[in-house]
Amino acid sequence: AQKVTQAQTEISVVEKEDVTLDCVYETRDTTYYLFWYKQPPSGELVFLIRRNSFDEQNEISGRYSWNFQKSTSSFNFTITASQVVDSAVYFCASTGGNQFYFGTGTSLTVIP
Amino acid sequence: DAGITQSPRHKVTETGTPVTLRCHQTENHRYMYWYRQDPGHGLRLIHYSYGVKDTDKGEVSDGYSVSRSKTEDFLLTLESATSSQTSVYFCAIMVSGGYEQYFGPGTRLTVT
Repeated sequence: AQKVTQAQTEISVVEKEDVTLDCVYETRDTTYYLFWYKQPPSGELVFLIRRNSFDEQNEISGRYSWNFQKSTSSFNFTITASQVVDSAVYFCASTGGNQFYFGTGTSLTVIP
Repeated sequence: DAGITQSPRHKVTETGTPVTLRCHQTENHRYMYWYRQDPGHGLRLIHYSYGVKDTDKGEVSDGYSVSRSKTEDFLLTLESATSSQTSVYFCAIMVSGGYEQYFGPGTRLTVT
């Protein structure tokens, strides 16, 4: 079965703390793609990153970093030195055949 | 900005009435998708299209139909709206070769 699990429903951190959002996926495909999206309080969905299944290199973009581990089927997202503007719901997603499967999201609140 | 618009942005309708939501894109993407977003469920795929007149079902397609007569427009129809279809509906395009999706601003539908 195709499934994406984000076990953390809500997280609160104080500004400047680091925070890691967990994502575990299940897939039957040998080649697949993984994604993270951000949904700020305004409601739009913003694409953050895509990772394909044959590239396990970690990626860093400014304060954001992603750790892909195929052995544990995980694709975790870390925000370093969090800011109030990082407050949002974050969704992890994977491809499965021609479809996309989203996790239920993690709501992150950064307290000033 | 992937040039995706959705109309209407908000709609209130009564149980049993048909409703059509429109997604319009300006960049000639082949793949288009309709999702619904509900608390505790994340985003769930309703239907998708891989070309003009080519559509397929997603995981929550019951009670919905779609049509795509032009590349730029993807219509979602609720044949007879029910209260369980109260939701926020997002349209998305997929970037060919990249697999990431970009989303429209969403339509908030309330069925009373």
